[in-house]
Amino acid sequence: AQTVTQSQPEMSVQEAETVTLSCTYDTSESNYYLFWYKQPPSRQMILVIRQEAYKQQNATENRFSVNFQKAAKSFSLKISDSQLGDTAMYFCAFNAGNNRKLIWGLGTSLAVNP
Amino acid sequence: DAGVIQSPRHEVTEMGQEVTLRCKPISGHNSLFWYRQTMMRGLELLIYFNNNVPIDDSGMPEDRFSAKMPNASFSTLKIQPSEPRDSAVYFCASSFDRYHGYTFGSGTRLTVV
Repeated sequence: AQTVTQSQPEMSVQEAETVTLSCTYDTSESNYYLFWYKQPPSRQMILVIRQEAYKQQNATENRFSVNFQKAAKSFSLKISDSQLGDTAMYFCAFNAGNNRKLIWGLGTSLAVNP
Repeated sequence: DAGVIQSPRHEVTEMGQEVTLRCKPISGHNSLFWYRQTMMRGLELLIYFNNNVPIDDSGMPEDRFSAKMPNASFSTLKIQPSEPRDSAVYFCASSFDRYHGYTFGSGTRLTVV
């Protein structure tokens, strides 16, 4: 079965500091795509960053970067210089196989404190 | 592009009434997804369409739920009759390939009293 595990239900960080959210997944597929989405209190689901499994280089989007360890099936999200606007629920997801379905984790609630 | 458009944003209805949620995907996106989000169960995929054809409806909770996609630019999710346990946020999302993931609408918060 394909699964995503986010082991940290809640986290907090001080403004301007760095925080890492963990995500592990399980799939027997060799080619797949990984995503991090954020859902702020406005409830809008926003794509933060994506990673193709066949690319070894870790994806980076401004203050957001990932640490992708394919052998360990790990896909953590690092947020640098945390800002108050980063307060949100963060979901890890992946897509494998020949369909468009995303497999989702249960999310990590991140609070950025002033 | 206006993004994925959902309506209404909020809906309050009485138990037993019919509820229809609407979604307009991004032009050119050929896959559309309906999700339900609750605190207890998180994000649940209800159904998804590819090229207007339902591909997987295994997440539809029961016969009270139905979804249609009559054309590439419109989809509906209907609940009839509605029950208090249907109260949730319902999201529509669309995509055009696996690499780019989904673009979500802003969701409909449904409250059944």
